[in-house]
Amino acid sequence: DQQVKQNSPSLSVQEGRISILNCDYTNSMFDYFLWYKKYPAEGPTFLISISSIKDKNEDGRFTVFLNKSAKHLSLHIVPSQPGDSAVYFCAAIRLYGGATNKLIFGTGTLLAVQP
Amino acid sequence: DAGVTQSPTHLIKTRGQQVTLRCSPKSGHDTVSWYQQALGQGPQFIFQYYEEEERQRGNFPDRFSGHQFPNYSSELNVNALLLGDSALYLCASSLGQGFSNTGELFFGEGSRLTVL
Repeated sequence: DQQVKQNSPSLSVQEGRISILNCDYTNSMFDYFLWYKKYPAEGPTFLISISSIKDKNEDGRFTVFLNKSAKHLSLHIVPSQPGDSAVYFCAAIRLYGGATNKLIFGTGTLLAVQP
Repeated sequence: DAGVTQSPTHLIKTRGQQVTLRCSPKSGHDTVSWYQQALGQGPQFIFQYYEEEERQRGNFPDRFSGHQFPNYSSELNVNALLLGDSALYLCASSLGQGFSNTGELFFGEGSRLTVL
């Protein structure tokens, strides 16, 4: 039962353009969502997060949008840079009432930013 | 400031053997979680250790066990290895059992286990 889904295994974007990575979830109890970036031979690194009480969170070139009614979130990277090329994982957690570090991850999207 | 360190980085075992993976959390962190990332999949939660006790467990059989030491470091043990246990095993550390509002878990680079 895949509770967090990333339906696009890969995405290719030109440098300077916008990258949009999508994520869907099925469990309405999730109340906190995160994006992690992973380079080869490295562990995932935290990128940006959003609470379910918000619909947008921005950090520099990265913006995460949350649509609770659709159980959908997206990560926008503007402008995209070659160094952004990595696997991006969407993750979700039931933060309140759960109080654990049990992140539920999606399967990841490989982003390739072409120079 | 040392981040999360894991050892070994790579290892090869045969079916039926046992393996121990090790993790030292980021300085100042006291909670360790273990994740399994199979090829083409996202990381899956195995269990979490806090105050030397297993606090949460994912959907993994009893062949997977762990331990946390007084210095907060942790071990993951897998007995009776199966081919399907081949994966990247990630250790993540954080401060406190509860999830911080910053949402950050700090991951190590992982131990890649191959079972033949």
